[in-house]
Amino acid sequence: DAGITQSPRHKVTETGTPVTLRCHQTENHRYMYWYRQDPGHGLRLIHYSYGVKDTDKGEVSDGYSVSRSKTEDFLLTLESATSSQTSVYFCAITRTGASSGANVLTFGAGSRLTVL
Amino acid sequence: AQTVTQSQPEMSVQEAETVTLSCTYDTSESDYYLFWYKQPPSRQMILVIRQEAYKQQNATENRFSVNFQKAAKSFSLKISDSQLGDAAMYFCAYRSTNSGGGADGLTFGKGTHLIIQP
Repeated sequence: DAGITQSPRHKVTETGTPVTLRCHQTENHRYMYWYRQDPGHGLRLIHYSYGVKDTDKGEVSDGYSVSRSKTEDFLLTLESATSSQTSVYFCAITRTGASSGANVLTFGAGSRLTVL
Repeated sequence: AQTVTQSQPEMSVQEAETVTLSCTYDTSESDYYLFWYKQPPSRQMILVIRQEAYKQQNATENRFSVNFQKAAKSFSLKISDSQLGDAAMYFCAYRSTNSGGGADGLTFGKGTHLIIQP
């Protein structure tokens, strides 16, 4: 367990409402990621962060924003949720450097979001 | 951009038998990492095995081994002595070493659903 906590784990919301998912890590890793998982698509990168206030877009970033004001927290926000954003969202972290665990992504338990 | 292809949406194997899951990828880079992740019904993503492209030797982890064919851009996973607990979705993933420390994350295939028949 790499000390990654996602919250909430389950959420049901209505179209047009804002939603924020939180990823919290306890190991001071620099790199953090948000993925979404949909049947037939595998996992696709939404946004990632390479440090406090340093973020960038991934493959499927439209409709999502992120913030990282502290090393340990990476927030994913859906400003106005749509039914197409119904998905399972995974946060991940990675170590860098020369250690044996470097460059391996470790994932949180996932957050299931349903937009009605 | 790199792409990862898993051509088998579903595979089935008898318990105790051996099964091989296929993965091919497309890249113009010479150095990279390849991974297999397992996702059981609990939804947790679990690292199974990883391979550095500069290493010619195929990685092994207990009953799990890979057949890494760099020229063919192929990275298959072999599971020996299949067990009921191996039933899961398996994802192949690629990671560049050129992204300044790993900022770009992983590129995943769409997954293979492995069924273990008792």
